[in-house]
Amino acid sequence: EVQLVESGGGLVKPGGSLRLSCAASGFTFSTYSMNWVRQAPGKGLEWVSSISSSSDYIYYADSVKGRFTISRDNGKNSLYLQMNSLRAEDTAVYYCAKKGGSGFYFDFWGQGSLLTVSS
Amino acid sequence: EIVMTQSPATLSVSPGERATLSCRASQSVSGNLAWYQQKPGQAPRLLIFGASTRATGIPARFSGSGSGTEFTLAISSLQSEDFAVYYCQQYNNWPRTFGQGTKVEIK
Repeated sequence: EVQLVESGGGLVKPGGSLRLSCAASGFTFSTYSMNWVRQAPGKGLEWVSSISSSSDYIYYADSVKGRFTISRDNGKNSLYLQMNSLRAEDTAVYYCAKKGGSGFYFDFWGQGSLLTVSS
Repeated sequence: EIVMTQSPATLSVSPGERATLSCRASQSVSGNLAWYQQKPGQAPRLLIFGASTRATGIPARFSGSGSGTEFTLAISSLQSEDFAVYYCQQYNNWPRTFGQGTKVEIK
């Protein structure tokens, strides 16, 4: 059974930093691209970042480019999102999501980790 | 960036009735379109990928169609557990983009 468990969310002041983690199990983590998708309170889904299986290809939404860094450790079956220079508009539930087998849709999602950016 | 527009924003349907949700892309995404269902307090769940292929475990009452810029998600006979928000997502281009969602509510 595929499981994705996010951790590391919390309350951060504007301008601060935080690192989210996602622990994966139930599939061969090292062979799949992984992703972060966020959802602001009461709003829709926003793709944030993607990383290929061997970290060769990395993509970011313009809204986070230069501030967020996605990374992974295939030996630990873990995905990370380092978030710097945080803004109030980064407040959201952050989901870790696995790329599908036949396209860049998201076939499994974690339960999410809430980041609140507020003074 | 490809803009995904879903309509209607809210759909009021009685249990047992058919629901039809629309998703339009600002430019062609070929067949690279997925649909997700999200219930309050839960993560999204993949329903459809490749515009028309049901994900594992998704009931046959859910069907997707379309290509290019116009897509449809149909729910043939709404069950109580189907009342939720539905999102479309294109994965033909970067950045990956979602529609704003359609809320299916009980009439």
